[in-house]
Amino acid sequence: DIVMTQTPLSLPVTLGQPASISCRSSQSLVHSDGNTYLSWLQQRPGQPPRLLIYKVSNRFSGVPDRFSGSGAGTDFTLRISRVEAEDVGVYYCMQGTLWWTFGQGTKVEIK
Amino acid sequence: EVQLVESGGGLVQPGGSLRLSCAASGFILSAYWMSWVRQAPGKGLEWVANIKQDGSEKYYVDSVKGRFTVSRDNAKNSLYLEMNSLRAEDAALYYCARLQFGSSSSRVFDYWGQGTLVTVSS
Repeated sequence: DIVMTQTPLSLPVTLGQPASISCRSSQSLVHSDGNTYLSWLQQRPGQPPRLLIYKVSNRFSGVPDRFSGSGAGTDFTLRISRVEAEDVGVYYCMQGTLWWTFGQGTKVEIK
Repeated sequence: EVQLVESGGGLVQPGGSLRLSCAASGFILSAYWMSWVRQAPGKGLEWVANIKQDGSEKYYVDSVKGRFTVSRDNAKNSLYLEMNSLRAEDAALYYCARLQFGSSSSRVFDYWGQGTLVTVSS
């Protein structure tokens, strides 16, 4: 199984300031088809997960452009350019290269 | 608007069975792979099972193989998860999710339901 490890697990942020979450996979996420199937999801309190980013850096429909993804191979990052109150929640990275596994989640809260 | 509505959760004794359902609307169910993903209380996410558009291919996480069965009825716009020999560790909120899978896909769960809670306890 591919293990996904996120850091930090808790991220206090100031409104309007940037935030960054890292995700590392136990093996390369480059598929034999050349694609890298790394995505990011947001789970607001009491809500189901919501897709934010797919294939490393593609924003899903309706996702604000303050969210961006980057990375390659085994190391990936989700960035929020200016945190807003509605961004509070838990963020998960997920790989779909070999079956599907998730990171442990990073809880984003306002300072 | 894509909507997924799960039902069928509840309290079951260890070793018991339960059948979850997911009603899909707002898209053509027969055009998509579908999945079940679970989340134990206060914990992270775990993929459980996938089923191909016509039901001809099914995949499961190792921990549920032989105990859980995913199925679908496209005519009824519904997805199901039959769970047998339930264990305490199966207790979770079970989400139905649409899966983008196949050639040129993103291999992601792009829409999720609200979930249905399964509690396993004597």
